[in-house]
Amino acid sequence: QVQLLESGPGLLKPSETLSLTCTVSGDSISNSDYYWGWIRQSPGEGLAWIASIYSSGNTYYNPSLKSRVSISVDTSKNQFSLRLTSVTAPDTAMYYCARHMGSSWGFEVWGRGTLVAVSS
Amino acid sequence: DSVMTQFPLSLPVTPGEPASISCRSSQNLLHSNGHNYLDWYLQKPGQSPQLLIYLGSKRASGVPDRFSGSGSGTDFTLKISRVEAEDVGIYYCMQALQSQVTFGGGTKVEIK
Repeated sequence: QVQLLESGPGLLKPSETLSLTCTVSGDSISNSDYYWGWIRQSPGEGLAWIASIYSSGNTYYNPSLKSRVSISVDTSKNQFSLRLTSVTAPDTAMYYCARHMGSSWGFEVWGRGTLVAVSS
Repeated sequence: DSVMTQFPLSLPVTPGEPASISCRSSQNLLHSNGHNYLDWYLQKPGQSPQLLIYLGSKRASGVPDRFSGSGSGTDFTLKISRVEAEDVGIYYCMQALQSQVTFGGGTKVEIK
């Protein structure tokens, strides 16, 4: 059974860089059938896709965040990561990692999420 | 970017009765390969979202057959044939055309 587990700092100050890691178990991140992505949900708000990556290294970004975001994969650790620079209060959110099908982009396995707060 | 509009925003339901949620996209989600890149998710209270329907009408693994998706192009519908108490939560539609993803604002389903 595939499981995804997010890890991150929890609390950041404005202008800092957010680094999150998603550890995948039960599947290889090199599995050619899937992509791996990050989605966030601000308190009381809806869902917003941030970025996705394929094991080959192909990346896809939300245009509204592209200038501050990078996504990467570490096949040796079976992990993928997200970096978000220059964070501000609106970046406060629950951050989810997820696996999605390459053929349809349906996010069919989700992590439990990690809450990130930005506050001075 | 495609804007996804869901309605209603809130849907009180009676167990055993049918329910329906609509989602409209600002752009045509029908790909040249014949698939509509439209998914439906349910986020139960305190949980991560779960995939219900992908490519407009295909049920995800383990999803009860009381859930069905229909529509094409810009207008889509999620139907629950007989609502159960465990179906409460927020339902989101999501489009993924051209490898760019946007979610609808959500429809909150609660028991009357």
